[in-house]
Amino acid sequence: DGGITQSPKYLFRKEGQNVTLSCEQNLNHDAMYWYRQDPGQGLRLIYYSQIVNDFQKGDIAEGYSVSREKKESFPLTVTSAQKNPTAFYLCASSIADGEKLFFGSGTQLSVL
Amino acid sequence: KQEVTQIPAALSVPEGENLVLNCSFTDSAIYNLQWFRQDPGKGLTSLLLIQSSQREQTSGRLNASLDKSSGRSTLYIAASQPGDSATYLCAVHGNQFYFGTGTSLTVIP
Repeated sequence: DGGITQSPKYLFRKEGQNVTLSCEQNLNHDAMYWYRQDPGQGLRLIYYSQIVNDFQKGDIAEGYSVSREKKESFPLTVTSAQKNPTAFYLCASSIADGEKLFFGSGTQLSVL
Repeated sequence: KQEVTQIPAALSVPEGENLVLNCSFTDSAIYNLQWFRQDPGKGLTSLLLIQSSQREQTSGRLNASLDKSSGRSTLYIAASQPGDSATYLCAVHGNQFYFGTGTSLTVIP
């Protein structure tokens, strides 16, 4: 089945710790995105990548980092600089920027 | 910056009723608009995509319309079913996707 796989489903972070959320797609899409969803708020863009080895900051990139070394993979690292990391994180992809979005099932990140 | 609003935040209807969900946006310079469904604790599933040059799109019991000049879109759901219960989000694309906060729909059997 083609789709987007996010792992883990649940993740807990300790103070001062960096954690990495995985996102893999087998749709052969060029564009990939990371969004953060908080209760009562719309999805907010953290980072996006239109092509391998290139990515751009979204509206709330501070405290996060990404890499795009392979077309199918776009991992997100939540660093210790992100002071309020508790949220539901969603990875998405599209065949090209601005086209139909396909989403993974999300990772819920909580702070211990 | 694009602002996307969805009203009401929550809606309950009896099974079988036709209903309309609303989405409004502040900047009419959009590339497309998408409607999504989200079940609790899950990712988003794309329902319909309307290009800026189109007026509406249909898929089964769903019909989405777009009026760029007024900054509005509606999602019409015909003959609602309990399985339609979910949160429905709209997103507009200009230089990036901007999402509304969603309408939580409950269809009562």
